[in-house]
Amino acid sequence: QTVVTQEPSLTVSPGGTVTLTCASSTGTVTSGYYPNWFQQKPGQAPRALIYSTSNKHSWTPARFSGSLLGGKAALTLSGVQSEDEAEYYCLLYYGGPWVFGGGTKLTVL
Amino acid sequence: EVQLVESGGGLVQPGGSLRLSCAASGFAFHTYWMCWVRQSPGKGLEWVADINEAGSNMFFMDSVKGRFTISRDNAKNSLYLQMNSLRVEDTAVYFCVRCSGSGIYYDSWGQGTLVTVSS
Repeated sequence: QTVVTQEPSLTVSPGGTVTLTCASSTGTVTSGYYPNWFQQKPGQAPRALIYSTSNKHSWTPARFSGSLLGGKAALTLSGVQSEDEAEYYCLLYYGGPWVFGGGTKLTVL
Repeated sequence: EVQLVESGGGLVQPGGSLRLSCAASGFAFHTYWMCWVRQSPGKGLEWVADINEAGSNMFFMDSVKGRFTISRDNAKNSLYLQMNSLRVEDTAVYFCVRCSGSGIYYDSWGQGTLVTVSS
């Protein structure tokens, strides 16, 4: 069974920079996994942030960026704002089905 | 404006069946893959199933294979999820998602419909 692993929780100071990662139990994450990133706040549906590794949706703030880093997919937030406190999920493609990571709870403190 | 509105959720006993629907509007429905994603109370997101533009190709997560069926009616701009042999662990909010089209992925989500499997 394929497992996608994210940091359970991270804390960042306002104005700081933080990188969330997304690893696959099958090995190195490449662009062929079409990494997607989503933000979810309590009581809301998820909101798409990044698709195909590094592409932003029209509504994605410039401070969010996606990349591949050390064999994983990565989401970097630069100049973090209090409103960025949320749960973040990655999603990877496995040639048919897709699999979500367990999510990272980001605290801005 | 893209809109995805789910319906059909509710309370069902273990072993029972339920059919979810998703009404799509504001875009060319027949040109997109569509997906279902679920979230159990207090838990993370789970990708459930997807279906291609014509409804001829579909994929499922392992735990629902043989129990769930995904289908679509492009004439009605509607997506469906038929859920049979429901288990307590299928309890979740089910989201309808526009998952792929024109090189863009997972950009639009419905607000979800709650399915509760309990005796």
